[in-house]
Amino acid sequence: KQEVTQIPAALSVPEGENLVLNCSFTDSAIYNLQWFRQDPGKGLTSLLLIQSSQREQTSGRLNASLDKSSGRSTLYIAASQPGDSATYLCAALNSGGYQKVTFGIGTKLQVIP
Amino acid sequence: ETGVTQTPRHLVMGMTNKKSLKCEQHLGHNAMYWYKQSAKKPLELMFVYSLEERVENNSVPSRFSPECPNSSHLFLHLHTLQPEDSALYLCASSQAIRTYGSGNTIYFGEGSWLTVV
Repeated sequence: KQEVTQIPAALSVPEGENLVLNCSFTDSAIYNLQWFRQDPGKGLTSLLLIQSSQREQTSGRLNASLDKSSGRSTLYIAASQPGDSATYLCAALNSGGYQKVTFGIGTKLQVIP
Repeated sequence: ETGVTQTPRHLVMGMTNKKSLKCEQHLGHNAMYWYKQSAKKPLELMFVYSLEERVENNSVPSRFSPECPNSSHLFLHLHTLQPEDSALYLCASSQAIRTYGSGNTIYFGEGSWLTVV
């Protein structure tokens, strides 16, 4: 059974700092890994999706990496801004019978002006 | 625009009410899913449908009743809910329920926030 862990659970940084969010998964037989953003009281917004054959994906100030062999993914946020404050979730897609997405609990990020 | 639309975005209901959540996908997918997100818990898979046929009921109480009239629409009918059912309910879709090749991608809607009072 896939388990996804995100560390830290919460993070507070001053504006402008570069930061890394971590995600680990127990079953390396994933098809892809996805990072989401969730604002308070809102649904999920997909940020980046990394296919199992890829090592990283970039979008603007965001860079996500994937290391299947070690069961790890990181989300790097450059030059953080107060608007980046949100909860960041990672999710691993497996196929055991039929495909399932397993989510971590998320990292709650606060960027202080 | 993810191609998966959920309504309503927010719902407050009493424990004796009957309401429904609606999901519509515009991606031509054949599989649809309901997930539940409770506070401080990972998202939990509730139901899976493939071509309108339910293939998974993940030990969900009968007060949650899904309906998939066609491959583009998915409903979650709610009745006699409990306060602990308050959560974010997410709908998702994918091309198929089985992953093949480089894998399918699951697309999520923005969710329906449910509060049971």
